[in-house]
Amino acid sequence: EVQLVQSGAEVKKPGESLKISCKGSGYSFTNHWIAWVRQMPGKGLEWMGVIYPGDSATTYSPSFQGQVTFSADKSINTAYLHWSSLKASDIAMYFCARQASGGYREFDYWGQGTLVTVSS
Amino acid sequence: SYELTQPPSVSVSPWQTASITCSGDKLGDKYAFWYQQRPGQSPVLVIYQDNKRPSGIPERFSGSNSGNTATLTITRTQPMDEADYYCQAWDSNYVVFGGGTKLTV
Repeated sequence: EVQLVQSGAEVKKPGESLKISCKGSGYSFTNHWIAWVRQMPGKGLEWMGVIYPGDSATTYSPSFQGQVTFSADKSINTAYLHWSSLKASDIAMYFCARQASGGYREFDYWGQGTLVTVSS
Repeated sequence: SYELTQPPSVSVSPWQTASITCSGDKLGDKYAFWYQQRPGQSPVLVIYQDNKRPSGIPERFSGSNSGNTATLTITRTQPMDEADYYCQAWDSNYVVFGGGTKLTV
């Protein structure tokens, strides 16, 4: 069974760093792109970008380029989303999603989400 | 940048047919995908490649895509179908989501 399990909710202060994780199981982790998607409170889905765990290649949405960093550790089937300095505007639910490998590039499996709260 | 436009809300009576549209420039030249997100849950893929249903998605869900508009159609709509629905497409190597449509049953 394919599963993406994300790390738990985080409460941080502005300016702090944060890394959240997404662990894949039940499939070949290195052969599927992983996307990160932001959902701000009461708002829609926003694509942040993707990472290919096989070689850590990345594509960032222009809206998020320079604001976050994607990484992956294929030895433990885990992808990461990292902030070096959080802002109040980073408050959101963050989802990881697996991109299907068949060529149509749909997001066929999603993690349960990680809620990030930033408050002084 | 490429944009996808959805109506903010659609209402439907139980057992009737709901149609949710997604508009974008020459969207029919791309593949459209649809995701269902129930309150407090993660999104679920319900339609890919314009009109294909993943396993486990009821036959009541169907999709079409032509010209500038993709449409998600739900026949015999059930209360459990009440959710937010998002269309999605690829613009080159970038993903675009529509703003989402709240379906009220």
